[in-house]
Amino acid sequence: QSVLTQPPSASGTPGQRVTISCSGITSKIGSNTVTWYQQLPGTAPKLLIYSTNQRPSGVPDRFSGSMSGTSASLAISGLQSEDEADYYCASWDDSLNGYVFGTGTKVTVL
Amino acid sequence: QLQLQESGPGLVKPSETLSLTCTVSGGSISSRSFYWGWIRQPPGEGLEWIGTTYYSGSADYNPSLKSRVTIFVDTSKNQFSLKLISVTAADTAVYYCARTIVATNFYYYYMDVWGKGTTVTVSS
Repeated sequence: QSVLTQPPSASGTPGQRVTISCSGITSKIGSNTVTWYQQLPGTAPKLLIYSTNQRPSGVPDRFSGSMSGTSASLAISGLQSEDEADYYCASWDDSLNGYVFGTGTKVTVL
Repeated sequence: QLQLQESGPGLVKPSETLSLTCTVSGGSISSRSFYWGWIRQPPGEGLEWIGTTYYSGSADYNPSLKSRVTIFVDTSKNQFSLKLISVTAADTAVYYCARTIVATNFYYYYMDVWGKGTTVTVSS
């Protein structure tokens, strides 16, 4: 079972800002950074954000990551139709001694 | 450009062993900068980390799978492999291999290059 909880769904119209939360960042995870992956329908996951707020080369700057307290967030500003996908947070959990993925959030562009 | 390709049987019988191989091209699996991992995704469900290995042969496993999983590296073939014993229908999933970047003390830990995935069905 995942210890990182995400809302099952989020939606917005083109151009809007959408935020996805990732809660359950306990003290055992909080010392480690959070990663976000994007999974387009029928494809493998893709690295979107690493080290909580860093974007790999090629990822648009409308994707941003942040952390506050026991929750991490992914924000998509200027939502586009191609952003319709599943998004997962993830981090190393020192107490479980393993890598954990969040429950996943399906983003729909209305 | 680094590419990873999973291969192995698409159908495994219950109680038998699931064996998959990930072939790495465009880079060396012996690089000291990277680890190599397996992740799976049951139909309609989320992602689950299976385990990660290093070129030296060391490995970390998901505690929930640890008793059934082995991940090992073949540097001569630039491949790494997954073995999962005593499979059941619950092991039916798309299996992905991925290059993994790990910091000291796991401060950061992420998969930056993924294979396309291979579907494994456990059924008699």
